[in-house]
Amino acid sequence: EAGVAQSPRYKIIEKRQSVAFWCNPISGHATLYWYQQILGQGPKLLIQFQNNGVVDDSQLPKDRFSAERLKGVDSTLKIQPAKLEDSAVYLCASSLAGGSSRSGNTIYFGEGSWLTVV
Amino acid sequence: AQKITQTQPGMFVQEKEAVTLDCTYDTSDPSYGLFWYKQPSSGEMIFLIYQGSYDQQNATEGRYSLNFQKARKSANLVISASQLGDSAMYFCAMRVEGYQKVTFGTGTKLQVIP
Repeated sequence: EAGVAQSPRYKIIEKRQSVAFWCNPISGHATLYWYQQILGQGPKLLIQFQNNGVVDDSQLPKDRFSAERLKGVDSTLKIQPAKLEDSAVYLCASSLAGGSSRSGNTIYFGEGSWLTVV
Repeated sequence: AQKITQTQPGMFVQEKEAVTLDCTYDTSDPSYGLFWYKQPSSGEMIFLIYQGSYDQQNATEGRYSLNFQKARKSANLVISASQLGDSAMYFCAMRVEGYQKVTFGTGTKLQVIP
């Protein structure tokens, strides 16, 4: 079974430029997450999709970050314009729809997209 | 609100010894799941083990076991027979049923010494 795919793996941009990250979740996973992880910290949820609807985007800086999952499968996360403090790893993850079982709850992560803003 | 606390920023363990990584959590919801993830320097978050709040037995997955003490709201990860490849960051996380957001702790950096 293929895992969560993310691209690009690494990106270096200048501040005020834009960047986009792409994610393809595990087949059949209805829930898709974007996390931001700054070096030395735990992951912080930016946005969570259930199919193509947004479940939680309370911590997404909406003035510069946007995300979409138009067909309920793959997703893109965009930053425009980037700031120095956006330097982080952007982790995409997916899970089944939920429930109380291990299979329903376990979240699987991609390898992450490392962003450096200079 | 849900909260995960990992009080050990860093831990050292001798190769082949066992090590316990601490995790406490806070939720008023009776139904939830607890996870541990390993994050090597490459950055990928690797799922290790899951414990449901209603599970009768502590979860085990190979060399990983979860010491689940519900009354104390703790879910410590035990790694037996440590290997050099176990050196990584370890994150505890929680998901409350029906409230799909997953909350992560701040992590513990484990270093295995030869």
